[in-house]
Amino acid sequence: ETGVTQTPRHLVMGMTNKKSLKCEQHLGHNAMYWYKQSAKKPLELMFVYSLEERVENNSVPSRFSPECPNSSHLFLHLHTLQPEDSALYLCASSQVRLASSGANVLTFGAGSRLTVL
Amino acid sequence: ILNVEQSPQSLHVQEGDSTNFTCSFPSSNFYALHWYRWETAKSPEALFVMTLNGDEKKKGRISATLNTKEGYSYLYIKGSQPEDSATYLCAFNSGGGADGLTFGKGTHLIIQP
Repeated sequence: ETGVTQTPRHLVMGMTNKKSLKCEQHLGHNAMYWYKQSAKKPLELMFVYSLEERVENNSVPSRFSPECPNSSHLFLHLHTLQPEDSALYLCASSQVRLASSGANVLTFGAGSRLTVL
Repeated sequence: ILNVEQSPQSLHVQEGDSTNFTCSFPSSNFYALHWYRWETAKSPEALFVMTLNGDEKKKGRISATLNTKEGYSYLYIKGSQPEDSATYLCAFNSGGGADGLTFGKGTHLIIQP
């Protein structure tokens, strides 16, 4: 256990469904991230939150909607996804934003494997 | 678009042998270079973060070096063990207000008993 917990670990959904991925950390970290890993591609940054405010959005389609209600929880709301959105979605946290301190590292969750039918 | 290249893509090594692999990254706008180990069905785990040219870091049998002027980092594993089997990711932080790391595709290491 890294201290970053993701649920569910596996999710299968249809293109018209609405579902959410949840991430929780009790490490006292101030920054949280969503990354996506598709087959044979490197990890891609989707969203960054620092102190519950979104600080980066990497041109992610609006069918992905993040929410950070407090510094310990991060959600990724999914709506009308496409089959090409099937991937592993990783949540991560860091003590402070990586832009603020080069010495910080990411602590990752184990990921949520999403399949869109 | 930042490009982070890792080589080789995969590697089979006999138990007990030493090995190394490479990460190449842009030599400009350097802020930090990260290495992570990712075992199957687990979370990626941070090994090292390096910020200065010439940095060398060590953790047990694993070590890493950094050359920011030419844009590369090496990861070394001495006396490979089966538990070293994993995908090793490097990630580049260009700073400048960016929070995201640009990851390479990883080197998939398999240690054969």
